[in-house]
Amino acid sequence: QSVLTQPPSVSGAPGQRVTISCTRSASDIGAGSDVHWYQHIPGTAPKLLIYGTSKRPSGVPDRFSGSKSGTSASLAISGLQAEDEADYYCQSFVDDLRGSVFGGGTKLTVL
Amino acid sequence: EAQLLESGGGLVQPGGSLRLSCGASGFVFSSYVMSWVRQAPGKGLECVSSITASGTTTYYADSVRGRFTVSRDNSKSTLFLQMDRLTAEDTAIYYCAKDGATNQPYFLNRWGQGTLVTVSS
Repeated sequence: QSVLTQPPSVSGAPGQRVTISCTRSASDIGAGSDVHWYQHIPGTAPKLLIYGTSKRPSGVPDRFSGSKSGTSASLAISGLQAEDEADYYCQSFVDDLRGSVFGGGTKLTVL
Repeated sequence: EAQLLESGGGLVQPGGSLRLSCGASGFVFSSYVMSWVRQAPGKGLECVSSITASGTTTYYADSVRGRFTVSRDNSKSTLFLQMDRLTAEDTAIYYCAKDGATNQPYFLNRWGQGTLVTVSS
């Protein structure tokens, strides 16, 4: 069981908006840490989409956005495109033994 | 542009050892935390180990602590992962990744293409 919990799958039609949640335990000592998001297409290197909970690296379309409320972070993808079909992972620092951990990942299907 | 190139993967028997290397270029290697992330077949991403820019602090996933050792040679811009007492559960693609921070793992903004490690008899 990961410290960061994501839904296993989400889906949406082209043009729609979907959100992916990432929830951590309130008792987790790293609960106040920033959350980062990655897109991973199997067979390729993962790609950073959002860092510092809501910042976008250069080159990432503004269709991708991040937010956080309490101990839950979210990745929103608007104007869904076929090329967005991929696995999405949240990641955050947890403690001085383990460093960072990833959520279990969410598979996005574009219908 | 930052580039990372992993090497050293391959087939190894259970209980054996393997040493992965990651050569870096295009950025000041000695200024950033570096990490190893793996993906086992059919599984998600797992941050295996990280090391601060100076090399003084290391981090390990519970699944590998005591068996894997991360290190770096800043003079050669190279990251290493020594993997001992390997089991079938260590079979995965291992990615080298560059962090955006210096003193503590934060986010991973550059990734290598990965090297496959297969543990099997």
